[in-house]
Amino acid sequence: KNQVEQSPQSLIILEGKNCTLQCNYTVSPFSNLRWYKQDTGRGPVSLTIMTFSENTKSNGRYTATLDADTKQSSLHITASQLSDSASYICVVSANYGGSQGNLIFGKGTKLSVKP
Amino acid sequence: DAEITQSPRHKITETGRQVTLACHQTWNHNNMFWYRQDLGHGLRLIHYSYGVHDTNKGEVSDGYSVSRSNTEDLPLTLESAASSQTSVYFCASSETRQGPLLEAFFGQGTRLTVV
Repeated sequence: KNQVEQSPQSLIILEGKNCTLQCNYTVSPFSNLRWYKQDTGRGPVSLTIMTFSENTKSNGRYTATLDADTKQSSLHITASQLSDSASYICVVSANYGGSQGNLIFGKGTKLSVKP
Repeated sequence: DAEITQSPRHKITETGRQVTLACHQTWNHNNMFWYRQDLGHGLRLIHYSYGVHDTNKGEVSDGYSVSRSNTEDLPLTLESAASSQTSVYFCASSETRQGPLLEAFFGQGTRLTVV
């Protein structure tokens, strides 16, 4: 069964600190992996999208890594800010015959950044 | 700027009533999706459409229907609302069926309560 597991479920860090969120998946055939940020009461917003051949991608203070062999991804946040408080969702897309497959969503990691 | 909007943002309805949630996008995207988000679950796909007059069932389609009469709109109808359908609903759109790097844009969500 296609699944996306995220850890930790929730995380509290102090402003200015770094943190790393984890995503493990069992999705086949794999097409791409995305990280979304979801602020409370808002829809998810894309941070990064990575295909099989990419093992790292950055978007400002956000850096995502992908190990397609171990089926693991991480999202590293550098020098956290209060505005980083949100849920971070890992999403894996399965590739069915070249057309867009279903997006399989993780349950998210809820990050709280405290002053 | 192009955008995707949902209405209403909040709705309370009674069990057994028919309810329609609106989704309107100005990206001119062919693909549109409806998801529900519940505590303890990732976003789950309800219905999706790859173009005008095309509709498809997702993972949790029972009790829901959609119609696509134009590119911009994909209304979601709950035929006879049930308490189990209390949830936050998100609409999303993306550019085209083909290709692995499709950016999906989400609306801000509709919080539906069935009493």
